[in-house]
Amino acid sequence: AQTVTQSQPEMSVQEAETVTLSCTYDTSESDYYLFWYKQPPSRQMILVIRQEAYKQQNATENRFSVNFQKAAKSFSLKISDSQLGDAAMYFCAYRSAYDKIIFGKGTRLHILP
Amino acid sequence: DTGVSQDPRHKITKRGQNVTFRCDPISEHNRLYWYRQTLGQGPEFLTYFQNEAQLEKSRLLSDRFSAERPKGSFSTLEIQRTEQGDSAMYLCASSPRPEHTDTQYFGPGTRLTVL
Repeated sequence: AQTVTQSQPEMSVQEAETVTLSCTYDTSESDYYLFWYKQPPSRQMILVIRQEAYKQQNATENRFSVNFQKAAKSFSLKISDSQLGDAAMYFCAYRSAYDKIIFGKGTRLHILP
Repeated sequence: DTGVSQDPRHKITKRGQNVTFRCDPISEHNRLYWYRQTLGQGPEFLTYFQNEAQLEKSRLLSDRFSAERPKGSFSTLEIQRTEQGDSAMYLCASSPRPEHTDTQYFGPGTRLTVL
């Protein structure tokens, strides 16, 4: 069975600084997709960024980028120029070809003004 | 607003009562998913529909749980004889096409508290 592990329950970063959230996963499949979702306090979950496993190039969305290491089964999220609005729970997620999403336990990110 | 909506947003019930939640997906989204999220955990998959067909059910979905999507549009999740362990956030998500790369769009969730 696939698993997703986020080893950092909480992290803090100064506003305007860069922070990296870690995620590792375990799978025997070759075709899969990885996601980072953001869940602000009392607000709904939104997709931050996604990565197709067959693509070697790391995905980037504005201030958000990933470091996808397929052989190491690692998928970290880097947030550059952190803003107060980035404060949230961040979930790393795995989706196989069978469509079910498996989430990690999340990392709570605090932005310090 | 054309996002995923869920009703009610909060539900408090007594143990043993039945509750029903509703999810309205984004218009014309074929797939609809239900997840459960307990405090301090990530969402856990419960079940999903392709149009009106329920294609997969998690082992988490005991026989007290039932989900329907009768016309391939909105969906309901019913919990019978609620237990305190059912207290959680129930999330609904939808996606437009049965393709691997489709993003799932989440609703705001229904928070259930069983007393």
